[in-house]
Amino acid sequence: DAGVTQSPTHLIKTRGQQVTLRCSPKSGHDTVSWYQQALGQGPQFIFQYYEEEERQRGNFPDRFSGHQFPNYSSELNVNALLLGDSALYLCASSFQGQTEAFFGQGTRLTVV
Amino acid sequence: AQSVTQLGSHVSVSEGALVLLRCNYSSSVPPYLFWYVQYPNQGLQLLLKYTSAATLVKGINGFEAEFKKSETSFHLTKPSAHMSDAAEYFCAVTRSYNQGGKLIFGQGTELSVKP
Repeated sequence: DAGVTQSPTHLIKTRGQQVTLRCSPKSGHDTVSWYQQALGQGPQFIFQYYEEEERQRGNFPDRFSGHQFPNYSSELNVNALLLGDSALYLCASSFQGQTEAFFGQGTRLTVV
Repeated sequence: AQSVTQLGSHVSVSEGALVLLRCNYSSSVPPYLFWYVQYPNQGLQLLLKYTSAATLVKGINGFEAEFKKSETSFHLTKPSAHMSDAAEYFCAVTRSYNQGGKLIFGQGTELSVKP
């Protein structure tokens, strides 16, 4: 079992650009959540996808959007990047009816 | 609204000493509580979880936590610290049992272990 995998591991982008991060959930999981972890902070919930729909959303602007594919994998898109978007982006997967979420290694995004 | 407060952003203990990391929660409904560990440049690994069964929860690597409703606390302990325990620890809460929930995290506590 490969667990939750995220790509890429590191990324450097310029202000104003757009970025797409990818996540493959743990085998058997159907729910994907995305979190942003700024340096020295706890992770903050961005949104959650289930059955290819956004089901819950945290306090993030519309520049943050996502998608879930039929195979349950997911993408996080961020438009018009700001310096403050620099963070570790974590993907977590889980299965309906279970409280336990498994996290990937994260994607380190640096905006310059 | 739910929230989590971790008391102490940094805790330092000697190898073999007791580890105590503090977490208090605020929730209007019975919560589900978690402790996660994060090693440098890695994701989060679940240490243990409380889901309204036993109030004393045992996790991996010798850690345990006790849910105390009267104190709204869920402190993490380990009787004897090991050098490999040095990491960042996060307490988290959710009330969405059936959704692998939206987790609300505390700010984290960095644990240092001195030889």
